Amino acid sequence: GAGVSQSPSNKVTEKGKDVELRCDPISGHTALYWYRQSLGQGLEFLIYFQGNSAPDKSGLPSDRFSAERTGGSVSTLTIQRTQQEDSAVYLCASSLLFLASSYEQYFGPGTRLTVT
Amino acid sequence: KNQVEQSPQSLIILEGKNCTLQCNYTVSPFSNLRWYKQDTGRGPVSLTIMTFSENTKSNGRYTATLDADTKQSSLHITASQLSDSASYICVVSATSGGYNKLIFGAGTRLAVHP
Repeated sequence: GAGVSQSPSNKVTEKGKDVELRCDPISGHTALYWYRQSLGQGLEFLIYFQGNSAPDKSGLPSDRFSAERTGGSVSTLTIQRTQQEDSAVYLCASSLLFLASSYEQYFGPGTRLTVT
Repeated sequence: KNQVEQSPQSLIILEGKNCTLQCNYTVSPFSNLRWYKQDTGRGPVSLTIMTFSENTKSNGRYTATLDADTKQSSLHITASQLSDSASYICVVSATSGGYNKLIFGAGTRLAVHP
């Protein structure tokens, strides 16, 4: 079956521009997660959704970052006024229920964002 | 403070050899612990999931152990192959009522050489 998909796969943008990253989770998965991974660094947990709600937004690096999920499916991560330090691979993952329930988590291929 | 620490940071071994990666955590309340493998340029792939009551879990040549008393986990790789070269990430879930957190280790970068 179809896995988690993300678009675009690569995005180059100029500093100061806004970008939108999209994640399509596996059908039926209620939990959706966004992560960031800078070059050579570990995964940084940004935010997760249970259905359409995001109980904990404390992982978002700044108020330039926002995320939404509608219809319990597709999610978009928006970065406003991008900065060079935002350059990273943004990974999305989904699971049937939130991870603490020991459900398997499946990752998408990521979006590589480069801010010039 | 909830933390997950992995060691070593990086490791080089020869093909066919065994190795053990460590994960120590100070996470409460503990829910489960996962090991992921992440190939360069790819998303992480789950290797094992262990709950509080599980001590050992195997997935092919990968064996994870968990000591909930000492809050330590290890991932043992036997008869390593070149394809085992990747980053291995330890992730601990903490949950209590409506409180859910995921705490990631920084990963161990493993290189298997011929």
